[in-house]
Amino acid sequence: DAGITQSPRYKITETGRQVTLMCHQTWSHSYMFWYRQDLGHGLRLIYYSAAADITDKGEVPDGYVVSRSKTENFPLTLESATRSQTSVYFCASSFTGVTGNTIYFGEGSWLTVV
Amino acid sequence: QQQVKQSPQSLIVQKGGISIINCAYENTAFDYFPWYQQFPGKGPALLIAIRPDVSEKKEGRFTISFNKSAKQFSLHIMDSQPGDSATYFCAASNPGGGADGLTFGKGTHLIIQP
Repeated sequence: DAGITQSPRYKITETGRQVTLMCHQTWSHSYMFWYRQDLGHGLRLIYYSAAADITDKGEVPDGYVVSRSKTENFPLTLESATRSQTSVYFCASSFTGVTGNTIYFGEGSWLTVV
Repeated sequence: QQQVKQSPQSLIVQKGGISIINCAYENTAFDYFPWYQQFPGKGPALLIAIRPDVSEKKEGRFTISFNKSAKQFSLHIMDSQPGDSATYFCAASNPGGGADGLTFGKGTHLIIQP
């Protein structure tokens, strides 16, 4: 039972570079999410997807791009990384929506932008 | 506007004691209140959840107390153990909020001293 796999787990990149964080889930969950976790801010939703080819913005979408061509994959791209995007990124999924349903998180991708 | 306020930010409890984490919300449309537990280097995982039609839910040593009129809910960890040391997030979601309807508190870093 692989669950949710994120890659890379750790990444250091330079300001202005493009970075893609990968997320793969094996449960065929309809919903997938990207959160960022920062000290003092908790978990903030970046983007989410209700199904393949359906994506929508969360609380903090600026500077990020997502796509979902297949149900199991939900990559997050930072088109031009900035230092403020240094964070821990969590991919998550749920069978249906968030109300009354468990959201399953991956183990996180630690991104440092220098 | 922070819709879910969590306190305290950090908490130290002696082994065997009771750990209490509090959350307050503003949106009366919220109808699902989960708690997530996160160990260092891992993603958050659902611990316990409650709906507002009950005032208390207990699972093992973990209890959620819910006060609908005060718009508050709390997590109680009885007989706290060193293995409970983690960061705890409360959250709330509303039925009409769609996939982005889950709002997290900022987290409580709990340390159980042996």
